[in-house]
Amino acid sequence: DTAVSQTPKYLVTQMGNDKSIKCEQNLGHDTMYWYKQDSKKFLKIMFSYNNKELIINETVPNRFSPKSPDKAHLNLHINSLELGDSAVYFCASSLGTYMNTEAFFGQGTRLTVV
Amino acid sequence: SQQGEEDPQALSIQEGENATMNCSYKTSINNLQWYRQNSGRGLVHLILIRSNEREKHSGRLRVTLDTSKKSSSLLITASRAADTASYFCATPASGGSNYKLTFGKGTLLTVNP
Repeated sequence: DTAVSQTPKYLVTQMGNDKSIKCEQNLGHDTMYWYKQDSKKFLKIMFSYNNKELIINETVPNRFSPKSPDKAHLNLHINSLELGDSAVYFCASSLGTYMNTEAFFGQGTRLTVV
Repeated sequence: SQQGEEDPQALSIQEGENATMNCSYKTSINNLQWYRQNSGRGLVHLILIRSNEREKHSGRLRVTLDTSKKSSSLLITASRAADTASYFCATPASGGSNYKLTFGKGTLLTVNP
């Protein structure tokens, strides 16, 4: 009964490959996010979706394409992977905006590009 | 740009001692949130304090907010080895965008048994 689940947990791939990370939440939330955490543990928002609509695209390269088939899912597809994409990617969800509520995070996907 | 800045960057204490972490931010906020991240895990929400609140408690956690100084503190009392983790403060982004949280760099707390 995991609240926010993302798969895979680990992903090792070569430069130039295309990969996807899946995220699902069973909390009934209407807003979902992708965050990137670098090697220094700095967390930065990448995308925010509300009711399947893109709200925020935080200057993320076009190689990253999120897709939200429904409110419970937000997947992240990455084309032409680069070494600098190596990081931990977190999916999160919330009910509404951060004005009044907290976010629930998945366990993270550690992406290593070699 | 980064909103929250935690201080100290790292803190090492003995079990049973209290741990205090500070967070400073730059712009006006509606609320401030604290999260914990255990090594290799996702973030877990600890507490949310609204801009009209000065202090909030949750179990062994005590959070204060001083909007005049744009700062917050997280106090963990009677710390346990299981409290070892990174702690982040986060605020809804300024400029009207409430669909993202801006995180600080975090404080790495080590509680020695």
